[in-house]
Amino acid sequence: EAGVAQSPRYKIIEKRQSVAFWCNPISGHATLYWYQQILGQGPKLLIQFQNNGVVDDSQLPKDRFSAERLKGVDSTLKIQPAKLEDSAVYLCASSWYRNSYEQYFGPGTRLTVT
Amino acid sequence: AQTVTQSQPEMSVQEAETVTLSCTYDTSESDYYLFWYKQPPSRQMILVIRQEAYKQQNATENRFSVNFQKAAKSFSLKISDSQLGDAAMYFCAYRGTNAGKSTFGDGTTLTVKP
Repeated sequence: EAGVAQSPRYKIIEKRQSVAFWCNPISGHATLYWYQQILGQGPKLLIQFQNNGVVDDSQLPKDRFSAERLKGVDSTLKIQPAKLEDSAVYLCASSWYRNSYEQYFGPGTRLTVT
Repeated sequence: AQTVTQSQPEMSVQEAETVTLSCTYDTSESDYYLFWYKQPPSRQMILVIRQEAYKQQNATENRFSVNFQKAAKSFSLKISDSQLGDAAMYFCAYRGTNAGKSTFGDGTTLTVKP
């Protein structure tokens, strides 16, 4: 079984530039999560999808962050414009359904904003 | 809102010895799940062990076991016969039964000395 795929693995941009991250969850997983993990901290949920609908985006800075999961499969997270404090690892995770025990995490995308 | 606290930023253990990582949480819910995740350096986060709050029996997975104290809202992880491959960041996480997202602590970095 293929795991959660993310790309790119690393990205360096200057502040005020835009960036996009891609995630392909495990096949058949209905629920997809984007977490932000700042160095030295635990992951914090940015947005949660159930199929192609948003379940929770209460912690997403909507003035600069956006995410979509148009066909209920892969997802894109975008930051525009980026700030220095956006430097973090962005983790994508998926699960069979919303109340599944286990979330499966991807390798993450490490973003550095200079 | 639920909070998860890991009071030990760093721990070290001698190979083959036993170590216990601490976690406390705060919630007003009566039913929930608790997890320990392992995040090796530059590698994907994986689930180590989970505990359902309604179960009185502590979960065990091979060398990993938990001490779940519901009244005290405490959830510690014991690693027996520590191995070099156990070196990683360990995150304690909480999830309510009706919410897909998990709330993570800030992690404990475990070093295993040969």
